[in-house]
Amino acid sequence: AQTVTQSQPEMSVQEAETVTLSCTYDTSENNYYLFWYKQPPSRQMILVIRQEAYKQQNATENRFSVNFQKAAKSFSLKISDSQLGDTAMYFCAFMENPNNNDMRFGAGTRLTVKP
Amino acid sequence: DAGITQSPRHKVTETGTPVTLRCHQTENHRYMYWYRQDPGHGLRLIHYSYGVKDTDKGEVSDGYSVSRSKTEDFLLTLESATSSQTSVYFCAISESDRGKEKLFFGSGTQLSVL
Repeated sequence: AQTVTQSQPEMSVQEAETVTLSCTYDTSENNYYLFWYKQPPSRQMILVIRQEAYKQQNATENRFSVNFQKAAKSFSLKISDSQLGDTAMYFCAFMENPNNNDMRFGAGTRLTVKP
Repeated sequence: DAGITQSPRHKVTETGTPVTLRCHQTENHRYMYWYRQDPGHGLRLIHYSYGVKDTDKGEVSDGYSVSRSKTEDFLLTLESATSSQTSVYFCAISESDRGKEKLFFGSGTQLSVL
C-alpha cells in the first residue's frame, strides 16, 4: 500500500520569509498524482497545488511551488513571501492513476506564520 | 466549494447508538468519498461510491456502512458508535478538470462518542 510521510509535525516562519514543507511517499506505480492541501482553523480542506508524476516540470501556483523528485519519491512544498493567512495544517496526499480513487494522506505539518 | 454540504456539523452521541452522517452535493459528481481525520493520521478513507448503489470499502471501513440511493446524497452510518469513532468526518467529491482529477471536501462533521 502507498504511504505518505510528513516528517515535520510543526514548523514556524516569519512573515514575508520562505518555508519548505517536506513530504516523501512510497509507491511501485509509475503514474500517479501528488497534492498539497491546506486546512486552516476553519477546518475546510483547500487544494493548494497538484502535480502529475509524468510531468517533469514542477507545479507552481502563485507563492506556492513544489520540488518534485520522482526518483527520490519526494514532494516538498515551498511557500514564498509567507503571509499570516498561510497559518494552517498542510497535508501532502498521493493518488494513483485516476481509476483508483484512494487518496492517501500524510499526518500533516502545522505551520505557524509569525508577524 | 463544489456544492458539498455535510450535516450535521457537530454531533455528540453515546456509545452503542446508531449515527448517520449526510453528504449532499449539487453538481452531479459521480464519485463521492467519506474520510475520517485523526491527529497523527491525516485523513483516511472509510468508503467511497462510484455511482448510485455502487460503493466500495476504503482503508478503515470496519464499523461503518454507506448508502447512495441518489446521485446527490451519500450517507455514512455507524451502526453502533464506539469511542474510537470520535473523529472529524469529511465528505469529498472527485472533480475532473480537463482530465486533472482532484478532490474537493465538505466542511466536515465533528462527531464525539461518549
